[in-house]
Amino acid sequence: GQNIDQPTEMTATEGAIVQINCTYQTSGFNGLFWYQQHAGEAPTFLSYNVLDGLEEKGRFSSFLSRSKGYSYLLLKELQMKDSASYLCAVKDSNYQLIWGAGTKLIIKP
Amino acid sequence: GAVVSQHPSWVICKSGTSVKIECRSLDFQATTMFWYRQFPKQSLMLMATSNEGSKATYEQGVEKDKFLINHASLTLSTLTVTSAHPEDSSFYICSARVGEWNEQFFGPGTRLTVL
Repeated sequence: GQNIDQPTEMTATEGAIVQINCTYQTSGFNGLFWYQQHAGEAPTFLSYNVLDGLEEKGRFSSFLSRSKGYSYLLLKELQMKDSASYLCAVKDSNYQLIWGAGTKLIIKP
Repeated sequence: GAVVSQHPSWVICKSGTSVKIECRSLDFQATTMFWYRQFPKQSLMLMATSNEGSKATYEQGVEKDKFLINHASLTLSTLTVTSAHPEDSSFYICSARVGEWNEQFFGPGTRLTVL
């Protein structure tokens, strides 16, 4: 079967750094996405990785290791507005998105 | 970036009635749109893939006669929840696939409450 694992919830302090991990087992791999979803809102696109390595975009970075079936989203200089759920999604061999359950990130002052 | 709109943003209806939700791509053409459902504190669940000019492809366990999808143009897909019941109350989100990465841009979602 296809499976994507993320921690259910994480807590971090404003101004700090947090890393949200995602491991996946899918039938084929055609890219991994990270989305941010605030409560009651639709997801918004954060990043896309298809090759191994680190992609940096401002305060957010995403890393991929295809051999390990592993990715992480790194958030730096945390702000209160970063409190949200972070969803990891993998595009499988059929180009379908397989979604993780999401990680709820709580930022404390 | 690509903009996707949904209408209505929220709707309350009586059990047994039908509700239509519209999903529009505002500044691009979308041959493929997706419909998701999300229950509270749960992840997105893909309901169906909507292809312009052809029948939608439904995920296992999703009743195609209950959730009618029409994708008559390159900028509009509709989802009709027929004979809605309280268990259909959920957050319905559409998305459109666009770009070289085939990334998905999401509409703002429609919160459906069936009394």
